[in-house]
Amino acid sequence: AAGVIQSPRHLIKEKRETATLKCYPIPRHDTVYWYQQGPGQDPQFLISFYEKMQSDKGSIPDRFSAQQFSDYHSELNMSSLELGDSALYFCASSLVAYGYTFGSGTRLTVV
Amino acid sequence: AQTVTQSQPEMSVQEAETVTLSCTYDTSESDYYLFWYKQPPSRQMILVIRQEAYKQQNATENRFSVNFQKAAKSFSLKISDSQLGDAAMYFCAYTGDSNYQLIWGAGTKLIIKP
Repeated sequence: AAGVIQSPRHLIKEKRETATLKCYPIPRHDTVYWYQQGPGQDPQFLISFYEKMQSDKGSIPDRFSAQQFSDYHSELNMSSLELGDSALYFCASSLVAYGYTFGSGTRLTVV
Repeated sequence: AQTVTQSQPEMSVQEAETVTLSCTYDTSESDYYLFWYKQPPSRQMILVIRQEAYKQQNATENRFSVNFQKAAKSFSLKISDSQLGDAAMYFCAYTGDSNYQLIWGAGTKLIIKP
């Protein structure tokens, strides 16, 4: 069965650069969530989209933005990268009453 | 590949009673960690309890305890004296000793009836 696809799997960027992470949800899932998990930390909720509209906003820095496109894939754009942005970023998609499916994540390293 | 399965999309329990949420996993690794996370409506992931596979003793955190059956690859969460604030989505997750990444179950929605 198709899963949530995230790309790239790994990304290395320098400080002050920009990164774009992509998430392709399960077909027909109507909600996408983004989480950030730093080393040894619990996942932090960043933002979610329902039917291409932002539905909830968590602890997403102003340097980050996200959107969901007409084909339901979502992109997390991160600018002016800082060393502290190094983390695993994963997304999940869901359809009401059918549970969540998590992607395998993008590991971002800022050097 | 490792997998985590939560077979109960939704559970309900009367306030003050006990409820058990099921989780099974599949792995070929010998050292790993298992977690239960609570996701309230705020969408934050709150760590409820963690179990190291090499420890035979079941982890306990106040009203929360696990029944860890390593041979059966089962990791259920028991919530005693359920409170209204326990209502949330609960996710079971796994991470291998060699893999920093978390593998998640689909979640169980817990409803507390007053």
